[in-house]
Amino acid sequence: QKEVEQDPGPLSVPEGAIVSLNCTYSNSAFQYFMWYRQYSRKGPELLMYTYSSGNKEDGRFTAQVDKSSKYISLFIRDSQPSDSATYLCAMNYGGATNKLIFGTGTLLAVQP
Amino acid sequence: EAGVVQSPRYKIIEKKQPVAFWCNPISGHNTLYWYLQNLGQGPELLIRYENEEAVDDSQLPKDRFSAERLKGVDSTLKIQPAELGDSAVYLCASSDRLAGNTGELFFGEGSRLTVL
Repeated sequence: QKEVEQDPGPLSVPEGAIVSLNCTYSNSAFQYFMWYRQYSRKGPELLMYTYSSGNKEDGRFTAQVDKSSKYISLFIRDSQPSDSATYLCAMNYGGATNKLIFGTGTLLAVQP
Repeated sequence: EAGVVQSPRYKIIEKKQPVAFWCNPISGHNTLYWYLQNLGQGPELLIRYENEEAVDDSQLPKDRFSAERLKGVDSTLKIQPAELGDSAVYLCASSDRLAGNTGELFFGEGSRLTVL
């Protein structure tokens, strides 16, 4: 079993839709949770990070962490064609190592 | 400010040939990472440097892979000899001392390797 599981998609939605992306994990020691966005043939870029359980909002994006269920989510409101990319969840144990464990990524296509 | 620079962007070689990838991190970033990304998968850490010291190379296949970071700045990842299964994207990333637990790594665009 992988430490981090993510539905690979692909996910296709119409412009303006609300998108929900999810990851589950098995190791309760994970403390920090991130979402990276990766456009085709580009490197990943950090979108949001959260610590422990709770919600964090940044514009159209909301990250949610439920440590009791070992489940994290990223919600995108009013999705735009420019949001079309692969979304990777990532997490680490905290401390100084900053070693990230990535999910497999979910490919999202927002149709205009 | 320039981002992480990698070269070459694309490389096609025949199996058993050697190949090398180069990475120039963001200026001032003391931590440098090499990740492997297979098609449809998330990045997997190969090696992490703190300055010029390799502090985590547990996932690096040392029989054919080697890496160095001379003077704690640029880094080179080498594969010799390459195998068909090495076809993937090799991502370099860097972070600064203040990144702490935010997980903010800055990635380059990657070097896409095809082994024939």
